[in-house]
Amino acid sequence: EPEVTQTPSHQVTQMGQEVILRCVPISNHLYFYWYRQILGQKVEFLVSFYNNEISEKSEIFDDQFSVERPDGSNFTLKIRSTKLEDSAMYFCASRDPKNIQYFGAGTRLSVL
Amino acid sequence: LAKTTQPISMDSYEGQEVNITCSHNNIATNDYITWYQQFPSQGPRFIIQGYKTKVTNEVASLFIPADRKSSTLSLPRVSLSDTAVYYCLVGPLRSYIPTFGRGTSLIVHP
Repeated sequence: EPEVTQTPSHQVTQMGQEVILRCVPISNHLYFYWYRQILGQKVEFLVSFYNNEISEKSEIFDDQFSVERPDGSNFTLKIRSTKLEDSAMYFCASRDPKNIQYFGAGTRLSVL
Repeated sequence: LAKTTQPISMDSYEGQEVNITCSHNNIATNDYITWYQQFPSQGPRFIIQGYKTKVTNEVASLFIPADRKSSTLSLPRVSLSDTAVYYCLVGPLRSYIPTFGRGTSLIVHP
């Protein structure tokens, strides 16, 4: 069964550093998403991406965040200058035509 | 977007059938009902989706009454591995942003 893959599974970084989280969505899906989940809290939408551009973003997705699809397979989330409160699980998802989202296993980001 | 309400938690025992009900009083005509499951430190996983009446797949059934103001996810004969958080989401098939609430934390006991 096709799946969304995310790397790395765990990223540790120092406050103020840049991180790039990587995702390979399911190949024939057209919509891609990033979500985050702070420990013990809800899954929160960050951004959706379609046709090589952002289609929607939440208030969380400020200027520190950016997304890119650098080639035909990867979808990345960059956090320019990490803060302690960015520590969370980050999930990538891609969507099929029935609006069913398929999530990756996530990247645990720990900002020290 | 339709607001959903589900129990915060439920307890069950292995082998029992579990029914989790979700209320969505202001569901729109073109909204579908989708359930996801999430294990700790993993991404949500699609379980089942439906529009009306009953939908069944290899893992669950979804019952939707005629007025569609609620839906019930039914898990037959749960096992310990069904311990997870279950989310009910309501929205159209065309692009919308799924909003995950707190979900229902199901604990299955031996």
